[in-house]
Amino acid sequence: EDQVTQSPEALRLQEGESSSLNCSYTVSGLRGLFWYRQDPGKGPEFLFTLYSAGEEKEKERLKATLTKKESFLHITAPKPEDSATYLCAVQGEGGGADGLTFGKGTHLIIQP
Amino acid sequence: DAGVTQSPTHLIKTRGQQVTLRCSPKSGHDTVSWYQQALGQGPQFIFQYYEEEERQRGNFPDRFSGHQFPNYSSELNVNALLLGDSALYLCASSLSWGNQPQHFGDGTRLSIL
Repeated sequence: EDQVTQSPEALRLQEGESSSLNCSYTVSGLRGLFWYRQDPGKGPEFLFTLYSAGEEKEKERLKATLTKKESFLHITAPKPEDSATYLCAVQGEGGGADGLTFGKGTHLIIQP
Repeated sequence: DAGVTQSPTHLIKTRGQQVTLRCSPKSGHDTVSWYQQALGQGPQFIFQYYEEEERQRGNFPDRFSGHQFPNYSSELNVNALLLGDSALYLCASSLSWGNQPQHFGDGTRLSIL
């Protein structure tokens, strides 16, 4: 059974204070690891897909990295508008279809 | 380019009733997945539809059923509602080929009294 654990559950930072969010996973054959951002009352918004260990993706102040056991979402010099819940999900090779297994998310608050 | 749209946005039902939720996928997408998100939790996979058939199912009872129409839109039906079915129900659409990311709608908030 695929499993995803995210840490910390919640993180409060000052504006400009860089940090990293962790996503540890176990999966039978990784097809893809996905990062999403979710604002209150909204659906998850797609950020990145990572397919193999060593891969990195960047978008504005966010950078996602992947190893064989975990992924990190690095946030550099965050702004208050980066406040959201960040969700990590994996897609395994079992079943031949595309159901995602999500972690519980990291609730990030950036204080001005 | 319209994204994934879901209706209704909010719904209140009582125990034992039945409910139908609707989803229109993003333009060009042919695959629809449904998820349940309880408060403070990550989304849980219910099932996925492709070519009007259920292709994969998560750990949900048969009270949860669905349908996909020829225009790729989809419905989620839940029978014999329980208090524990109160949640945000999310629809996601994607392309069937390759490991394409799933794009989510803003969900239907279902409350069971």
